[in-house]
Amino acid sequence: AQRVTQPEKLLSVFKGAPVELKCNYSYSGSPELFWYVQYSRQRLQLLLRHISRESIKGFTADLNKGETSFHLKKPFAQEEDSAMYYCALRYSGAGSYQLTFGKGTKLSVIP
Amino acid sequence: DAGVTQSPTHLIKTRGQQVTLRCSPKSGHDTVSWYQQALGQGPQFIFQYYEEEERQRGNFPDRFSGHQFPNYSSELNVNALLLGDSALYLCASSSRGWDETQYFGPGTRLLVL
Repeated sequence: AQRVTQPEKLLSVFKGAPVELKCNYSYSGSPELFWYVQYSRQRLQLLLRHISRESIKGFTADLNKGETSFHLKKPFAQEEDSAMYYCALRYSGAGSYQLTFGKGTKLSVIP
Repeated sequence: DAGVTQSPTHLIKTRGQQVTLRCSPKSGHDTVSWYQQALGQGPQFIFQYYEEEERQRGNFPDRFSGHQFPNYSSELNVNALLLGDSALYLCASSSRGWDETQYFGPGTRLLVL
């Protein structure tokens, strides 16, 4: 079964400090991994996905199949990064469309 | 484009009642997925509709059912409501193809008393 673990419920960092939000997954096949973000009073929105290898709002994430991890990183946190972050997985094979989410990590950037 | 829209925004029901939630997908999207998000949890997949049929289902009982209309909008129905059904219900739309990125609506918050 697919499973996504985000070990930290809350992460507080100072503005300008590096940020790393952890995500580990359990799945034996080839997964697609995503990070979704939810800012205060806004809807859940896609931040980035591993297959695009983009950097969005300064965030990057690398899929490490050996460690089954997809940690989200940013070198210098900004106050506007404060939000709820969810890691999600989708089986990349035919016939699977559901996203499996972790429980989320609340990032608080202290001015 | 308003993106994915959901109605109503909030709803209060009592145990044993039935509820219908509605979702209109983003323009150009033909696939709708429903998720339940309990307090302090990540969204959990209920089911997905494509071409007016349920394409995949998560681990939810038959009390949860859905429908997709020819205009791609969708409904989620929950029968015999339980207190534990209290949650935020999210709709996500996508376009069938290699990408299939899911775009989420604002959700409907259901409280069962």
